[in-house]
Amino acid sequence: EADIYQTPRYLVIGTGKKITLECSQTMGHDKMYWYQQDPGMELHLIHYSYGVNSTEKGDLSSESTVSRIRTEHFPLTLESARPSHTSQYLCASRTGKTEAFFGQGTRLTVV
Amino acid sequence: GDSVTQMEGPVTLSEEAFLTINCTYTATGYPSLFWYVQYPGEGLQLLLKATKADDKGSNKGFEATYRKETTSFHLEKGSVQVSDSAVYFCALSDSNYQLIWGAGTKLIIKP
Repeated sequence: EADIYQTPRYLVIGTGKKITLECSQTMGHDKMYWYQQDPGMELHLIHYSYGVNSTEKGDLSSESTVSRIRTEHFPLTLESARPSHTSQYLCASRTGKTEAFFGQGTRLTVV
Repeated sequence: GDSVTQMEGPVTLSEEAFLTINCTYTATGYPSLFWYVQYPGEGLQLLLKATKADDKGSNKGFEATYRKETTSFHLEKGSVQVSDSAVYFCALSDSNYQLIWGAGTKLIIKP
């Protein structure tokens, strides 16, 4: 059973609003990732972190930011939500080169 | 760079049919290989993995063998059930600790 949690599960928000998607893991994993995914489609890496105070942008420019102040916490912030941000956001964590564990995802709708 | 190519979907089978979903990869070094499954509205779950050549990963009746000579990691199951309907992702862990994902294959099992 994976111990990685995302909140909220579902979010509907208006254009221009600032939002933060939460991701926490209790496994002590050093590596954490954020992916954007349209349902059942490819995963697109948005941001990743290999440890505290380390963050990198992925392949997809999503106009978002992340922080990694604590090992267990990796929040994703959208400063100004747009309809093009409507998607599912998946958080994952792992250690070394082992498998990644995924959260349940946040389904975001921007109206 | 490293890459993963998997069979395009959707793959539609009748219950109790034999399943193969092809996955080939390009990588330097000796990557670990994974199959993940995603049910509707959920995050990804690890299905099976293999960490070195000739390893066979297995779980819930699914199997995949790490074939270095053909750079392949095909997913197989002898007799599929309706409950196996999902999206399946092949992935590798590269030498830079990144996870490289295939595009996903949607599997539909008809009763």
